[in-house]
Amino acid sequence: DVKVTQSSRYLVKRTGEKVFLECVQDMDHENMFWYRQDPGLGLRLIYFSYDVKMKEKGDIPEGYSVSREKKERFSLILESASTNQTSMYLCASSLAGTVYGYTFGSGTRLTVV
Amino acid sequence: EDKVVQSPLSLVVHEGDTVTLNCSYEVTNFRSLLWYKQEKKAPTFLFMLTSSGIEKKSGRLSSILDKKELFSILNITATQTGDSAIYLCAVSPLQGAQKLVFGQGTRLTINP
Repeated sequence: DVKVTQSSRYLVKRTGEKVFLECVQDMDHENMFWYRQDPGLGLRLIYFSYDVKMKEKGDIPEGYSVSREKKERFSLILESASTNQTSMYLCASSLAGTVYGYTFGSGTRLTVV
Repeated sequence: EDKVVQSPLSLVVHEGDTVTLNCSYEVTNFRSLLWYKQEKKAPTFLFMLTSSGIEKKSGRLSSILDKKELFSILNITATQTGDSAIYLCAVSPLQGAQKLVFGQGTRLTINP
């Protein structure tokens, strides 16, 4: 069964901490995405990547960075966590050239206290 | 700026009812519209629509796209408690291809 795996289901961090959210896919997909999901706002794109070492800003990149050193792994980094970054974070992947078969991970619920 | 708006944001009905969920969009160079169902975890794919007026159907769920009026509807007939979920609508613009722009989601609750 093909999968997008996010390393943590629930995470609690303190304000100012550096936070790493990891995402791994086993489908050999070129594209990987990080979204955050908040009630009433839906899913908003933070960053995405079309290839190894390649990254592009989404709609809300402020306060985040990403790393893609290997094709299967896409990491989201919160350089200095703040309470307004408390949210559900969803990783997704897809094949190049299509949104069909866009596959999501189960999400990481991050609470910053 | 690309935008997707879903309505209603929340809906509570009784088992057996029929529901219609709405999705309107403003997207530069529209390519496709997708519906997802999200229960407790990852959103799962329901339909992708690219051509106007064609109905996609899977069991009790169906969806249709109107590219002229820029909206889509998702219908669920004979609802069951297992249909309780957040339903997400997303569009894919041609530019920045492969990104999805999501609406706010509709939280559907089916009471027995």
